[in-house]
Amino acid sequence: EPEVTQTPSHQVTQMGQEVILRCVPISNHLYFYWYRQILGQKVEFLVSFYNNEISEKSEIFDDQFSVERPDGSNFTLKIRSTKLEDSAMYFCASTPAGPEEAFFGQGTRLTVV
Amino acid sequence: AQSVAQPEDQVNVAEGNPLTVKCTYSVSGNPYLFWYVQYPNRGLQFLLKYITGDNLVKGSYGFEAEFNKSQTSFHLKKPSALVSDSALYFCAVRGAGYALNFGKGTSLLVTP
Repeated sequence: EPEVTQTPSHQVTQMGQEVILRCVPISNHLYFYWYRQILGQKVEFLVSFYNNEISEKSEIFDDQFSVERPDGSNFTLKIRSTKLEDSAMYFCASTPAGPEEAFFGQGTRLTVV
Repeated sequence: AQSVAQPEDQVNVAEGNPLTVKCTYSVSGNPYLFWYVQYPNRGLQFLLKYITGDNLVKGSYGFEAEFNKSQTSFHLKKPSALVSDSALYFCAVRGAGYALNFGKGTSLLVTP
């Protein structure tokens, strides 16, 4: 069964450092998303990406965040200067078309120290 | 804005008993509603969705949900709970774009 894969599973970084979280969406999917879940809280939408551009973003997705699809398979989330409050589980998701159910990866746990 | 609410932080059920996890929604227009389950240290797994059609939606692992327009609810149900159903359950609604807006989650504990 096809699945969304994320790497790394856990990343520890120092405050102020840049991190890149990587995702390989399901191959025939067209829409890609990043969500985050701070420990003990609900899952929050960050950004959606379609046709090589951002289609929607939340208030959380400020200038320190960026996304990219550098090739035909990878989808990345970059955080330029990490803050302690960026510590969370980050989930990548994809859908074949917009209204369909999203398939989520296993997540990357980001710890900023 | 499209939103969902899950009024219960935790639901406790004995194995073999029916379970219900509650969700209410607030949307403009027709709602696209989803249930996801999260096991510890795992990603979100899709259970079922309501787009249009029958109000009773059947999903994975024996779960079903009933869409009730008059009560703006989309409760998740299962006739007979298993210990292995213990997990965190999230209701979600599709936003104006295609992003999902999640509820805070309900922890389900099924005891033997």
